[in-house]
Amino acid sequence: RKEVEQDPGPFNVPEGATVAFNCTYSNSASQSFFWYRQDCRKEPKLLMSVYSSGNEDGRFTAQLNRASQYISLLIRDSKLSDSATYLCVGFTGNQFYFGTGTSLTVIP
Amino acid sequence: SQTIHQWPATLVQPVGSPLSLECTVEGTSNPNLYWYRQAAGRGLQLLFYSIGIDQISSEVPQNLSASRPQDRQFILSSKKLLLSDSGFYLCAWSEDRWIGELFFGEGSRLTVL
Repeated sequence: RKEVEQDPGPFNVPEGATVAFNCTYSNSASQSFFWYRQDCRKEPKLLMSVYSSGNEDGRFTAQLNRASQYISLLIRDSKLSDSATYLCVGFTGNQFYFGTGTSLTVIP
Repeated sequence: SQTIHQWPATLVQPVGSPLSLECTVEGTSNPNLYWYRQAAGRGLQLLFYSIGIDQISSEVPQNLSASRPQDRQFILSSKKLLLSDSGFYLCAWSEDRWIGELFFGEGSRLTVL
């Protein structure tokens, strides 16, 4: 079983919609979690860090549920520029564990 | 502020040729350093990580090697490339503490022909 699993999508949503991605993790000892955004043929860039129950930054909200071992990312009022692949990452010790990414396309 | 750079950005190499990718971090000391590979349409695979000079751990058996000759320099090498070595190589760093965020270089896209 993979350390971190996420729905690959693709998610195609209209501009202005709200979209949510879920990610599950298998290692209950994971200390912290992150959401990264990766544009086509570019490096992943840190979007949000999740150390406790959740985090909010503008239109983006991340939530952590340790009992059920999942992390979610909610994007409100989607913009065309939100189109990208979103990577869920868990951190355990010195190791980072990446999901395979969820593809989002925001349609005009 | 901290920055990370890797080069070259793109390279096309014949099978059997050598490889050297270089990565440097500025603005921090004693970072944890990582080399990842991302094959087309797939997730990131950890190749090597280093917690200090000459302290390198390999995650997967392969024909690649890594070296860390200086605190903020990380090099990925191969003596003879295989077709399967093609991919997007990413260097990354994190702070030397137990809760760390990971920051990536711009990536090096390798095509082996």
